[in-house]
Amino acid sequence: NAGVTQTPKFQVLKTGQSMTLQCAQDMNHNSMYWYRQDPGMGLRLIYYSASEGTTDKGEVPNGYNVSRLNKREFSLRLESAAPSQTSVYFCASSFGGIGYGYTFGSGTRLTVV
Amino acid sequence: QQQVKQSPQSLIVQKGGIPIINCAYENTAFDYFPWYQQFPGKGPALLIAIRPDVSEKKEGRFTISFNKSAKQFSLHIMDSQPGDSATYFCAASIRYGNKLVFGAGTILRVKS
Repeated sequence: NAGVTQTPKFQVLKTGQSMTLQCAQDMNHNSMYWYRQDPGMGLRLIYYSASEGTTDKGEVPNGYNVSRLNKREFSLRLESAAPSQTSVYFCASSFGGIGYGYTFGSGTRLTVV
Repeated sequence: QQQVKQSPQSLIVQKGGIPIINCAYENTAFDYFPWYQQFPGKGPALLIAIRPDVSEKKEGRFTISFNKSAKQFSLHIMDSQPGDSATYFCAASIRYGNKLVFGAGTILRVKS
């Protein structure tokens, strides 16, 4: 099925460990986004990529890095995980030009102990 | 602080009732307002969206009402069903912008 695929679905990290969350879309979308979802805070934008080759900070970028590997793939890296990064992470994509709406992946539930 | 304020945090209604979820914003540059529906363990999915040149939009049992002067918009679910039980998020963006700003979400439970 066409859509946004995120891996892994679940992950437990120890404080200070690093990891990369992977995201791929097969809808030929131009823009891709990483959000985190925390109870009572909605979805907050971490980083986004308006088009292949560009990335920009969102609302909560500290502690994260991203790579737009090609048009299909957009990865999120935690260099030194902290308990405050325990969250559910969602990748999304769109044609760009927000009237098209976003398509979200099913999320990665990350716990940092 | 949240740029889009959503209320209530949670809502319980009987089957057939009309739950109403409200959102307010401050940034007058926002001019695209979508609603997303999220089921447990899934990502949010676009439900319905409105631009401020109209005051109301209906899609099936879902209606957005928009009050530009008050900078408020709301989602009404007509004849609500247990299958509508989900978390609902309002959002806002500048037209053709690349970033959606989300409200905190409303957990809706429809009792059968």
